[in-house]
Amino acid sequence: DTGVSQDPRHKITKRGQNVTFRCDPISEHNRLYWYRQTLGQGPEFLTYFQNEAQLEKSRLLSDRFSAERPKGSFSTLEIQRTEQGDSAMYLCASSLAGRANEKLFFGSGTQLSVL
Amino acid sequence: DQQVKQNSPSLSVQEGRISILNCDYTNSMFDYFLWYKKYPAEGPTFLISISSIKDKNEDGRFTVFLNKSAKHLSLHIVPSQPGDSAVYFCAASTLNTGTASKLTFGTGTRLQVTL
Repeated sequence: DTGVSQDPRHKITKRGQNVTFRCDPISEHNRLYWYRQTLGQGPEFLTYFQNEAQLEKSRLLSDRFSAERPKGSFSTLEIQRTEQGDSAMYLCASSLAGRANEKLFFGSGTQLSVL
Repeated sequence: DQQVKQNSPSLSVQEGRISILNCDYTNSMFDYFLWYKKYPAEGPTFLISISSIKDKNEDGRFTVFLNKSAKHLSLHIVPSQPGDSAVYFCAASTLNTGTASKLTFGTGTRLQVTL
């Protein structure tokens, strides 16, 4: 399977706990994105990397959120001191930069439930 | 501030008929538009795109129409098939290869194709 993979698929945690999600992009893709989707809404941009550099972060990404892509391959998204409002589907996507019609390929997401 | 709007949360169409999904946008800087399809428990998958230099793009049963003056686009599916039943998201971005495709998504339209 050469698509974008995310782990875990589901995560249930108690308020105040830390959680970490992993994303493995399509191997030749140099851009990696994190989006968040809540019920009844479309995906919302959180942050993106080009290779290992995090180039932009949305104002939606509070200080409790941190993302890394240490070797320009897989990425992790950590949420510290989770709150009930963090409950959402966290989607990872990857793409190949430099193409005129850049298309994002999404993983199946990690569904986070904060109790 | 919903820059991409899909005002119909759901649509039901009979198999074999045409499905028309609509999308409006407010940001005049958007010049690249995409449609994604999402099945339950899966990430969005790319369907078709159009840049603002065109007013129509076709791919098999799927056609996207763009009316820049009205800031409106639509997705036509002809003929509709039961496997088309999914949530369809309209997304928009700026076509600039120097920056990432930070897609702005609408809230989605759930299409149900009935037998």
